[in-house]
Amino acid sequence: KAGVTQTPRYLIKTRGQQVTLSCSPISGHRSVSWYQQTPGQGLQFLFEYFSETQRNKGNFPGRFSGRQFSNSRSEMNVSTLELGDSALYLCASSLGLRQETQYFGPGTRLLVL
Amino acid sequence: AQTVTQSQPEMSVQEAETVTLSCTYDTSESNYYLFWYKQPPSRQMILVIRQEAYKQQNATENRFSVNFQKAAKSFSLKISDSQLGDTAMYFCAFMKSREESQGAQKLVFGQGTRLTINP
Repeated sequence: KAGVTQTPRYLIKTRGQQVTLSCSPISGHRSVSWYQQTPGQGLQFLFEYFSETQRNKGNFPGRFSGRQFSNSRSEMNVSTLELGDSALYLCASSLGLRQETQYFGPGTRLLVL
Repeated sequence: AQTVTQSQPEMSVQEAETVTLSCTYDTSESNYYLFWYKQPPSRQMILVIRQEAYKQQNATENRFSVNFQKAAKSFSLKISDSQLGDTAMYFCAFMKSREESQGAQKLVFGQGTRLTINP
């Protein structure tokens, strides 16, 4: 079974631009979670989607948003990019049942100049 | 809010040695799950082992085992017969039990321990 895939793998943007990252979960998985990883803040939870609904959200500004499609694929969007948004963005999928283990994709490395 | 603390920023051992990584957590929850993930230089986050808090028996996965002390809120990872491929960042993570039947609960991560296995 194929793992979690994320596109693109690397991205360079400038301040003020917006960016969209994509995540395709493992086949059959219905929950997708997003995490931001930075050297200073470590790994922080952004949001989680299940059945096209955001069910949980971390402490991030409204510039960070996401959505999930009927095939469980998810996108996250960051508008008005700031230098501090430079990070590795990790997506994790799970079956969506209670307490299922989350499996991570390879991440998208975003650099904001 | 839950917190996870990994007190060892870096560790280094020789190949074939045994190494133990420490993790403590703080929570008022009684039902929860604990994980160890590894992140090699490729940055891919890989599940190493999982422990359910309601289980007294410590989880094991081949060369990896945990020492789960619920009262002390401690969850250490032991790697036996370490291999060069074990070189990675290791993250301890906490996930509380979710009342709803659907959707995933968020993971709360520690700051990580950088483990280097030397030949």
